[in-house]
Amino acid sequence: DTGVSQDPRHKITKRGQNVTFRCDPISEHNRLYWYRQTLGQGPEFLTYFQNEAQLEKSRLLSDRFSAERPKGSFSTLEIQRTEQGDSAMYLCASSVEQNHSTDTQYFGPGTRLTVL
Amino acid sequence: GENVEQHPSTLSVQEGDSAVIKCTYSDSASNYFPWYKQELGKRPQLIIDIRSNVGEKKDQRIAVTLNKTAKHFSLHITETQPEDSAVYFCAARQGSSASKIIFGSGTRLSIRP
Repeated sequence: DTGVSQDPRHKITKRGQNVTFRCDPISEHNRLYWYRQTLGQGPEFLTYFQNEAQLEKSRLLSDRFSAERPKGSFSTLEIQRTEQGDSAMYLCASSVEQNHSTDTQYFGPGTRLTVL
Repeated sequence: GENVEQHPSTLSVQEGDSAVIKCTYSDSASNYFPWYKQELGKRPQLIIDIRSNVGEKKDQRIAVTLNKTAKHFSLHITETQPEDSAVYFCAARQGSSASKIIFGSGTRLSIRP
């Protein structure tokens, strides 16, 4: 499978615990994005990387959230001290920079987080 | 920042009829408008997109129109089929960002047999 992959697909945790998700983008895609999707809503932008540089972060991304892409390939999203409001689907997407008008983002299957 | 409004939130059409979903955006500098289809429990998948220098684009039964002046864009699906049932999201790339995309809240399309 050459698409975007995410691991784990499901995570159940207790409030206050830390969780980490992984995203593997499509090979050679230099841009990687994290979104959060709650039931009945569209994906909400969290952050994105170009290669290893984190270029933009949403105000939604509190200081409990941190994302890394150390080698410009896979990325991790960590949530510290989880809260019930963090329960959502966390989606990763990747794209390859061609020009500003054709930056198609391809999504992974998501990690569904449930905080008890 | 960019805001994308999408209507209707639910849409039910008879198989074979057409479906239209409408979106508006707020950032006049937005230049790229993708549409995604998300089936239950699956990832969003791009079905069509349009750039700001084009007014209309068509791909088989799917077409998208863009009115830059009014900041409106719409998805048209003709000859609907049962497999068109899904949630559809419009989106707009924020003009000030090279890549940040803002999504609408989605339209749940149901095709009645």
